[in-house]
Amino acid sequence: AQSVTQLGSHVSVSEGALVLLRCNYSSSVPPYLFWYVQYPNQGLQLLLKYTTGATLVKGINGFEAEFKKSETSFHLTKPSAHMSDAAEYFCAVSRSGGYQKVTFGTGTKLQVIP
Amino acid sequence: DADVTQTPRNRITKTGKRIMLECSQTKGHDRMYWYRQDPGLGLRLIYYSFDVKDINKGEISDGYSVSRQAQAKFSLSLESAIPNQTALYFCATSAFGTSGGLGPTGELFFGEGSRLTVL
Repeated sequence: AQSVTQLGSHVSVSEGALVLLRCNYSSSVPPYLFWYVQYPNQGLQLLLKYTTGATLVKGINGFEAEFKKSETSFHLTKPSAHMSDAAEYFCAVSRSGGYQKVTFGTGTKLQVIP
Repeated sequence: DADVTQTPRNRITKTGKRIMLECSQTKGHDRMYWYRQDPGLGLRLIYYSFDVKDINKGEISDGYSVSRQAQAKFSLSLESAIPNQTALYFCATSAFGTSGGLGPTGELFFGEGSRLTVL
């Protein structure tokens, strides 16, 4: 079985401050990991993903995440928050081999304070 | 135009009514999914389909049914709606591939959602 835990359902940062959204996963086999973003009244869109290879992955809008196997983590960061980053962020896990279900975390709402 | 289109975007109905949510896509993907989003619970998979002849239950299929009318169309039905089916529903697609079973990019493509309220 696989699962995802996102620490903090709401995170507030000041504009220009570091954004850190935490995600820990559980998987019995090497995982595929994703971050999706949901802007108000919109569907989810992929921010970035890790499948194999380099453990530091870069995504859209200046976001990046690092896969740390020893810590079973895939935290999302951005050096400087922008007002347009206010959204809900979902971490998700899947795995290789045939069809594998994607399991989503419960989401973290990011508020950016001017 | 959106690649994954859901209709209706908003619907209010009463307990016991039959409701259909429709999804169509122009991405050419063969895999389609219906998810439900509830505050604090994330997204949960209701049904998924790999092609028009292959439909599978997800983790919360009770009270729902689906129909894959064509490669590009996948509809979700609530035969007799109840208040705890009030939620935001998303259709998603993915391409076939060997990489994680989600296709070469490992990515799901979502519609904009259908907000359903059951009174």
